[in-house]
Amino acid sequence: RKEVEQDPGPFNVPEGATVAFNCTYSNSASQSFFWYRQDCRKEPKLLMSVYSSGNEDGRFTAQLNRASQYISLLIRDSKLSDSATYLCVVNGERFGAGTRLTVKP
Amino acid sequence: SQTIHQWPATLVQPVGSPLSLECTVEGTSNPNLYWYRQAAGRGLQLLFYSVGIGQISSEVPQNLSASRPQDRQFILSSKKLLLSDSGFYLCAWSVNSQGEDGYTFGSGTRLTVV
Repeated sequence: RKEVEQDPGPFNVPEGATVAFNCTYSNSASQSFFWYRQDCRKEPKLLMSVYSSGNEDGRFTAQLNRASQYISLLIRDSKLSDSATYLCVVNGERFGAGTRLTVKP
Repeated sequence: SQTIHQWPATLVQPVGSPLSLECTVEGTSNPNLYWYRQAAGRGLQLLFYSVGIGQISSEVPQNLSASRPQDRQFILSSKKLLLSDSGFYLCAWSVNSQGEDGYTFGSGTRLTVV
């Protein structure tokens, strides 16, 4: 089993839709969790940390479920500019392969 | 503010040729430094990380090596490139070990081995 697994997608959604991605991890002792955004042929950029109590940043909500060992990212009111690949990171070093999102007009 | 520089942006090298990619960080001291590789359509694979000058940890056995000759300089090298070395190489830094406060990535080097 891979340390960090993500649904590769692609997720194709219309503007304004709500979309959610999950990321599962195998190490139950994992302590730090992040979501990164990577645009085509660019470097990943930190989107948000994931805290135990869940956290929100504008249209983006991140949650952690330790019992089931997954983190999630919810995007509300999708914008065209949200089109990108979303990578989860567990314990700072282990990246998922990414979930590709395309938001269409 | 902290910045990270990585070069070159693109590189085409023949099989068997040597490689040297350089990464430098400005605006911080004693950063944790990382080299990642991303194959086409794949996730990021951690290659090396360094917590200080001369301290290199390798994640995967391969024909690549890394060195940290100065506090804010991280170099990825190979004596003889393989076709499988093609990919997007990313340098990153973090304040805390294991990137507990997140990573900042350089703009990457796209390497094609032909």
